[in-house]
Order: sequence, then C-alpha cells, then structure tokens
Amino acid sequence: KAGVTQTPRYLIKTRGQQVTLSCSPISGHRSVSWYQQTPGQGLQFLFEYFSETQRNKGNFPGRFSGRQFSNSRSEMNVSTLELGDSALYLCASSLGGNGYEQYFGPGTRLTVT
Amino acid sequence: GENVEQHPSTLSVQEGDSAVIKCTYSDSASNYFPWYKQELGKGPQLIIDIRSNVGEKKDQRIAVTLNKTAKHFSLHITETQPEDSAVYFCAASETGNQFYFGTGTSLTVIP
Repeated sequence: KAGVTQTPRYLIKTRGQQVTLSCSPISGHRSVSWYQQTPGQGLQFLFEYFSETQRNKGNFPGRFSGRQFSNSRSEMNVSTLELGDSALYLCASSLGGNGYEQYFGPGTRLTVT
Repeated sequence: GENVEQHPSTLSVQEGDSAVIKCTYSDSASNYFPWYKQELGKGPQLIIDIRSNVGEKKDQRIAVTLNKTAKHFSLHITETQPEDSAVYFCAASETGNQFYFGTGTSLTVIP
C-alpha cells in the first residue's frame, strides 16, 4: 500500500506571498492532520480534517488554512508568508474513527526569504 | 491543553547497549501514546504505540512502558545498532485525532 505523499517536497517563497501544499493520504484513510516542524518549536499541530470537515485546530493564526476533498486528499494554504513560516510541513493520515495510528508523509520543506 | 515533556534531548550509547527515553504528560484524559522515529530528511515513522489499558508492549528490540498513575511513559531500545541513530518523538492523544508531541531525543549509537 502506498504511503502518505506530499507535494512539492521543497519550496522557496518570498515574504508576503502565499503557498499551497498538497497531501495524499494512505488509501482508505479519512483523517488528515497537518503539523509544522521547526528546530525551536518541534512538532506543532496545525489542524485535522475528517470527511472534508475540520475537526480540530491548533493555535496558529488565520493565515494558515486547509481543506479536504471528497477523496480525502488535503491541501494547506499559508497566506502572507512571514520569515518565521520557514519550516518542514508534515502531513499525517489515519483511518479516523477508532483508528488512532497516524502515518506521516516525508514533508514539504518551505523556505521563506 | 496537553503538555508532553521528553528527556533526554540527546543520548549517546555504545552499540549493543540499551537506550531509554522518558516522557511525561499532563492530561489524565490522554489514552494513546505513540513513539516515532525520524531520520534525516524523512517524516516521522511510527515504531510502537501503547494504549492506556496496557502497561507494557514489546516489539522485538523495542518496548514501551506506561505508568498512568504517574503520567509517564518510556521507550526502551535493547541491543542498539547504528541504524537506530535518529530523532525519537513521543506523543499523547485523547481522541486519536489531535496529538501533542514531545520535543524529541537525538539518539546516537556509537559503533
């Protein structure tokens, strides 16, 4: 079974621009979560989607948003990029429901200059 | 919200020795505790997990123990090998759809 895939793997953007990251979950998984990973803050939860609905949201500003499509694929958008948004953005999928096991993709490395 | 603390932040062991990483959590409602291994340039990989109705779980050289009363859980790796070198993260969750992570332990196994 194919794992979680994320595109693009690397991205360089300029401050003030916006960016969209994509995540395809493991086949059959209906829950997709997004995390921001930085050396200083570690892994921080952004939000989680299940059946196209945002179920949980972390403590990030409104510039960070996401959505999930009917095929469970998810996108994350960051508007008005700041230098501090430079990070590895990780997507994880799980069955949802009672399936707690969460599997991560390789991440998208975003650099804001 | 939940707060997960992880120690130590770095750990060096000789090949063949054991490694132990410890985590504490604050929310007694948390009931699922996974451990992840992250190698350079890769996403975290689930290596073992434990639920609150179990005190210990083993998978070959890896074991996890949970003390619900003290709100701490530990990862034990025996007979360490160089390929065990990586960053290890613990996490806690109540619902299975929102996870709180520890700050990571960088494990180095010296051949």
